[in-house]
Amino acid sequence: AQKVTQAQTEISVVEKEDVTLDCVYETRDTTYYLFWYKQPPSGELVFLIRRNSFDEQNEISGRYSWNFQKSTSSFNFTITASQVVDSAVYFCALSEDPLGSGGGADGLTFGKGTHLIIQP
Amino acid sequence: KAGVTQTPRYLIKTRGQQVTLSCSPISGHRSVSWYQQTPGQGLQFLFEYFSETQRNKGNFPGRFSGRQFSNSRSEMNVSTLELGDSALYLCASSLGGTAISYEQYFGPGTRLTVT
Repeated sequence: AQKVTQAQTEISVVEKEDVTLDCVYETRDTTYYLFWYKQPPSGELVFLIRRNSFDEQNEISGRYSWNFQKSTSSFNFTITASQVVDSAVYFCALSEDPLGSGGGADGLTFGKGTHLIIQP
Repeated sequence: KAGVTQTPRYLIKTRGQQVTLSCSPISGHRSVSWYQQTPGQGLQFLFEYFSETQRNKGNFPGRFSGRQFSNSRSEMNVSTLELGDSALYLCASSLGGTAISYEQYFGPGTRLTVT
């Protein structure tokens, strides 16, 4: 069965510090998709990134970067020069593709989330 | 382009009652998924609908059901409510076809409180 572990339940840093959120996943499939979502206090999940299992290239988007390593089954998320507006709960999620066609059978499996607090 | 909308936003029900929640996906999106979020269990997948058919289902009892209409709007129903059903219910839409492989866009959720 698929599983996503976010060991850090809460992280608190001072504004402008860099912070890395860890995500470790388990899956039996060779084709799968990994996601990061942000949930601000308003409650709405905001999509940040999707990565498929065949693409191990790291990605950078502004102050956000993601490090995907299949060898360690990790998909970590780094925020550079954090800002107060980055304060939120961040979820890592996994979708398996048992049919190999891109269709997941069990929806998204989410980690428990990491509550990130950026102090001014 | 309008986002995913969910109605109502807040709901208070009594044990034993039933409830229906509604979700309107982003225009052009054909897949709708439902999730339950609680402090204890986190975010859990309920089911996914595509072209009016339930395509995937999570591990929830039969009291949880849903449907999708020809315009892709979806409803979920919970019958015989229990206290443990109190949660934030999130709806997500995606383009469909191979729904889960696409990014899912979430609505603001419906906060259900069962007393």
